[in-house]
Amino acid sequence: GAVVSQHPSRVICKSGTSVKIECRSLDFQATTMFWYRQFPKQSLMLMATSNEGSKATYEQGVEKDKFLINHASLTLSTLTVTSAHPEDSSFYICSARSLAGADQTQYFGPGTRLLVL
Amino acid sequence: DAKTTQPPSMDCAEGRAANLPCNHSTISGNEYVYWYRQIHSQGPQYIIHGLKNNETNEMASLIITEDRKSSTLILPHATLRDTAVYYCIVRVNYQLIWGAGTKLIIKP
Repeated sequence: GAVVSQHPSRVICKSGTSVKIECRSLDFQATTMFWYRQFPKQSLMLMATSNEGSKATYEQGVEKDKFLINHASLTLSTLTVTSAHPEDSSFYICSARSLAGADQTQYFGPGTRLLVL
Repeated sequence: DAKTTQPPSMDCAEGRAANLPCNHSTISGNEYVYWYRQIHSQGPQYIIHGLKNNETNEMASLIITEDRKSSTLILPHATLRDTAVYYCIVRVNYQLIWGAGTKLIIKP
């Protein structure tokens, strides 16, 4: 159980285009999903916290107009990188927090590697 | 900032127990200790978590000291597939604050 999927797993796009990444919890419901970014040889950095039916909360330094987050249902959140530039190239990872249980463990997707040319 | 400190790297022989230490001296009473691992180019994989008591599951055991200022993750019989970066994380207000982790290399 507790499987999280991401799509696509890898994307290459031209500078200036927008890219949408989907995150789905496959076998559980998640009121909260998290979006992280990871640069090579670095640890994960939290970008934003996404709550179903409400606006996302962005971490300091993350542009909300550039990284659009939509959490339309208890099993789906999307991250759209708008007007992507080469410096946005990174490994984007989502996680979903299970509703069940008091401790609410986060389960992670496999990640999406974005390369902006 | 991460509330944990871990050694940057460790080696372990295949088939032996791998013991990964973690210090979290500023942990608060209601904060959980979580362990995840990340194999190269993949998303983090949940391993185990605990609050006060020692925990064991099919992947590993978690030993938390009585004062809760440190913990040890034990992989009882390490295999080559256990080579990964292991993260010890104190969950703060439902957020996971990631440190640099320990790169564990299992050697044949």
